[in-house]
Amino acid sequence: NAGVTQTPKFRILKIGQSMTLQCAQDMNHNYMYWYRQDPGMGLKLIYYSVGAGITDKGEVPNGYNVSRSTTEDFPLRLELAAPSQTSVYFCASGPGTDIYGYTFGSGTRLTVV
Amino acid sequence: AQSVTQLGSHVSVSEGALVLLRCNYSSSVPPYLFWYVQYPNQGLQLLLKYTTGATLVKGINGFEAEFKKSETSFHLTKPSAHMSDAAEYFCAVSSGGFKTIFGAGTRLFVKA
Repeated sequence: NAGVTQTPKFRILKIGQSMTLQCAQDMNHNYMYWYRQDPGMGLKLIYYSVGAGITDKGEVPNGYNVSRSTTEDFPLRLELAAPSQTSVYFCASGPGTDIYGYTFGSGTRLTVV
Repeated sequence: AQSVTQLGSHVSVSEGALVLLRCNYSSSVPPYLFWYVQYPNQGLQLLLKYTTGATLVKGINGFEAEFKKSETSFHLTKPSAHMSDAAEYFCAVSSGGFKTIFGAGTRLFVKA
């Protein structure tokens, strides 16, 4: 019963590099989300998806891109990494709208130097 | 617009003492309210939620929260703290759409 799986767990990037954070869920959830967590700031929504082929911006989308080609996968792409993108990134999924709550992955800790 | 304020970034209690974590929300529509718990180096886990109906909501690990509309509050309580309750707790609010708003979090310390 894997739930939401995120890879990698840790990554160090140099300024200007790019990378993809992977997220996969095995619960057949239509709704998936990417959040970033910064100390003392709670979680901020980057992008979300309500189904394969449908994505939309959240509160802090600049510098990121997403795609949703399958129900299971929701990768987050960072282009031209900047120090401001140093954060912990969480992927989450849910069976419907927010009233059901979310299942979170264990996170990816990213440092940009 | 919706917002969440968690009062106190850190709370310290003794083992066996009452746990009280405070959360106030702002919402122009009937809110859906949540508490999540995050243990070190893990993702968030849903502790409990209020959608409609009974205003006293019971969750996992002996936690409960009460929705008080007149006070716009959703405080989390547990009668007796255990060492294993040490974690960070997040209050969250949603209008039932796709954009849950999270508070800044309260870190709970439990002293032996």
